[in-house]
Amino acid sequence: QVQLQESGPGLVKPSETLSLTCTVSTDSIRDYYWTWFRQPADKRLEWVGRVYPTGETNYNSSLESRVTLSLDMSRNHFSLKLTSVTAADTAVYYCGGGRQFVGTEFWGQGTLVTVSA
Amino acid sequence: DIRLTQSPSFLSASVGDRVTITCRASQVIYNLLAWYQQKPGIAPKLLISPSSTYQGGVPSRFSGSGSGTEFTLTISSLQPEDFATYYCQQLNSYPITFGQGTRLEI
Repeated sequence: QVQLQESGPGLVKPSETLSLTCTVSTDSIRDYYWTWFRQPADKRLEWVGRVYPTGETNYNSSLESRVTLSLDMSRNHFSLKLTSVTAADTAVYYCGGGRQFVGTEFWGQGTLVTVSA
Repeated sequence: DIRLTQSPSFLSASVGDRVTITCRASQVIYNLLAWYQQKPGIAPKLLISPSSTYQGGVPSRFSGSGSGTEFTLTISSLQPEDFATYYCQQLNSYPITFGQGTRLEI
C-alpha cells in the first residue's frame, strides 16, 4: 500500500510562496501520476494540478500563473509551489496518487496552510 | 471547465436505507466519473472509479452507474460508518473538477 505524507509550513504570509512536499513511501513514484488538491474550510475539493513520472505537468487554469509542480524520483517525493498567496489560498492541501482514468487511489492526510500576516 | 452538480446537497437517512445520489455534468464526460467518500478531518477515499477499475476493498453495497452527463451513486443498505460527505469527480478533461458534495446525515 502506498502511503503519502505532506510536509511544509502551516503559516505563510500574504504575497509569499507556499511550498509543500509530499513523500511517497515506496518506489511506486514511477508507477503513478501525482496530484495536489486543496479544500478551503467547508468547501468542495479543488484540483490544483498533476505531475507525471515523465515530469509532464497539468495545472488548474485558475492557478496556472502561480503554481509549479515538480517530481524528484531520487527522493521519492513531489512538490508544490504557489506564489503570491492571499487569504483565498488558505485551505487544507492534500497530495494524492493514482492511475490515468481511475481516480486518486492514495491520499496524504492533508495539511492546513493558513495565509496570514 | 466542466461543472458537476450533485443532488441532493443534504440527505437525511437511517441505517438500512437505500440511498441514491445524482451527479450531473455540464457536458458529456463519457463514463469518466469517480466517486469519493470524505469524513470530517480525513482525506477523501476513492469509492467508485470509471469502469469499476478500482478494487480497493470498497464494500459491495456501494455501486455507481451512468454515462454521458448523468451519474448515480447508490448505497444499497446504509451502515453507521457510511454517514459522510460524498463527492463526484470528472476525469474527462482538465481541469479535473468535483461536485459540491452531498452530506449524508443520520
